Amino acid sequence: DAKTTQPNSMESNEEEPVHLPCNHSTISGTDYIHWYRQLPSQGPEYVIHGLTSNVNNRMASLAIAEDRKSSTLILHRATLRDAAVYYCILRDAGNQFYFGTGTSLTVIP
Amino acid sequence: DAGVIQSPRHEVTEMGQEVTLRCKPISGHDYLFWYRQTMMRGLELLIYFNNNVPIDDSGMPEDRFSAKMPNASFSTLKIQPSEPRDSAVYFCASAPGLGQVHGYTFGSGTRLTVV
Repeated sequence: DAKTTQPNSMESNEEEPVHLPCNHSTISGTDYIHWYRQLPSQGPEYVIHGLTSNVNNRMASLAIAEDRKSSTLILHRATLRDAAVYYCILRDAGNQFYFGTGTSLTVIP
Repeated sequence: DAGVIQSPRHEVTEMGQEVTLRCKPISGHDYLFWYRQTMMRGLELLIYFNNNVPIDDSGMPEDRFSAKMPNASFSTLKIQPSEPRDSAVYFCASAPGLGQVHGYTFGSGTRLTVV
């Protein structure tokens, strides 16, 4: 399974942008980069995914490095409801998801 | 759609007892996954099914664990006999396909405590 590396925790002030980094230096050409988040006492939920180009949706933006060895999830204005564990995952050729330990995001009012 | 439905939400049982966790996937989803989450090991994939057939059970920790999917709308994960180290949150997830855009939809999980 392809590996990702994320910081264990990050903090952000409410209503400010948050940049959550992820390193995936062993990514292969066909691996998609997925982000999920897990709110307290809930199951993980889909946030965004991409292959090569940057992606935007109503929840977040995904910036992918040109060499694809790293990516950044961007929350444009953090709210208290965004406090969660964020997982960066590579979907490998087997199309399965393997979750790492993720980044625990704390949003400070 | 009500999403992926898991039951019970919480289960407390004594060591040695049989435990059965239940999952109803989203209608029309061909894939069903069972995950276990602990503080030490994070989210671990236990087993997944495609069209009710188990495809990969390499994540099942030992023979005490078994999973079935008798039809497209129901799956069970059974632990017999249960042990304290099985205490964890067990998640079920479903997906319309492995190559689909939005990936998995997870249930709210079953928190299992074995005393």
